[in-house]
Amino acid sequence: KNEVEQSPQNLTAQEGEFITINCSYSVGISALHWLQQHPGGGIVSLFMLSSGKKKHGRLIATINIQEKHSSLHITASHPRDSAVYICAVMEYGNKLVFGAGTILRVKS
Amino acid sequence: NAGVTQTPKFQVLKTGQSMTLQCAQDMNHEYMSWYRQDPGMGLRLIHYSVGAGITDQGEVPNGYNVSRSTTEDFPLRLLSAAPSQTSVYFCASSPGRYNEQFFGPGTRLTVL
Repeated sequence: KNEVEQSPQNLTAQEGEFITINCSYSVGISALHWLQQHPGGGIVSLFMLSSGKKKHGRLIATINIQEKHSSLHITASHPRDSAVYICAVMEYGNKLVFGAGTILRVKS
Repeated sequence: NAGVTQTPKFQVLKTGQSMTLQCAQDMNHEYMSWYRQDPGMGLRLIHYSVGAGITDQGEVPNGYNVSRSTTEDFPLRLLSAAPSQTSVYFCASSPGRYNEQFFGPGTRLTVL
């Protein structure tokens, strides 16, 4: 079993839909990252959180440390949101462990 | 700021050849890491550094060497390339342990 599991693996949505991507992990962590990988391959950091909830524009990330679970929500989705979304956890130490990613396609 | 830069963008090697993937950052970040990304798998940590002169192994270090003589540079050396090292390699940096990661554009390496 991977230490970081994401669901779904693939997601297709219509423009305007509310999207949720889930991340579950099995180890103790000090922080959790959400990353976005564009179709061209570049990776950007969306959020880093260790508790509660963060919001940036149409993106919201939440984490429940007790349940070892995090969600990334996209409100009013748009075709430009099409990308791979990656969850990564910082184990106690200095190492990031990554999920396999969720491929999101938003159709207009 | 240029951010995190990687060279080359593409490279083809023959089995047994050696080469160095370059990574540099101009943000004065202490933490730097090398990852490889393979189809169907998440990014995996190869080596990382928490400051100049300090390096440590990640999840998949075999076949790779690193050094960190300056804060800015963190080269990754392939000692004797193997087809199993065909992958996309990303370098990343961050100001500290609990900060966001900044990724380079990646190097696509093919070993024949």
